[in-house]
Amino acid sequence: KAGVTQTPRYLIKTRGQQVTLSCSPISGHRSVSWYQQTPGQGLQFLFEYFSETQRNKGNFPGRFSGRQFSNSRSEMNVSTLELGDSALYLCASSTLWGLGTGELFFGEGSRLTVL
Amino acid sequence: AQTVTQSQPEMSVQEAETVTLSCTYDTSESDYYLFWYKQPPSRQMILVIRQEAYKQQNATENRFSVNFQKAAKSFSLKISDSQLGDAAMYFCAYRSPNTGANSKLTFGKGITLSVRP
Repeated sequence: KAGVTQTPRYLIKTRGQQVTLSCSPISGHRSVSWYQQTPGQGLQFLFEYFSETQRNKGNFPGRFSGRQFSNSRSEMNVSTLELGDSALYLCASSTLWGLGTGELFFGEGSRLTVL
Repeated sequence: AQTVTQSQPEMSVQEAETVTLSCTYDTSESDYYLFWYKQPPSRQMILVIRQEAYKQQNATENRFSVNFQKAAKSFSLKISDSQLGDAAMYFCAYRSPNTGANSKLTFGKGITLSVRP
């Protein structure tokens, strides 16, 4: 069974640009969540999607957005990039939404560098 | 809001020895879930072990076990017979139960574990 796939793995952008990251969950998983990982702030929750609806959102500015498609694949977009957006963006999928014992399966992440 | 604290940024252990990684958390909820995740260098994060707060028995997974002290809000991870492959960053995480709006994981800052051969 294929794991969580994130693309691209690495990318470099300049300030002011926008970026779109993609996540394909494990087959059969309908919940996808996104996390930002930085050395200073650690892992911070961005948002979670289930059945194409955003169910939960972290404390990030509106420049960060996402969506989920009918096949459960998800994308996140960051507009007007800032230097501080440089981070590893992790996607995680699970079978169910909102059930505490549901294990999250993480992808390898997309490493974004903003120059 | 829940918080998770991992106060030790780095630890080192000799191969075949035992090491304990500490984690404390703060919550007003009586029921919740706790996790330890492992993130090897440049590799994906994987679940090591989970603990349901309503269970008094400490979780165990092969060489990994936890010491869950609910009253003290402490959740430490013990790794026995450490192996070189255990070298990684370890994150402690908290999750509210069955409340969709709060289904996110709250992570600690992580601890980097190195294993000496």
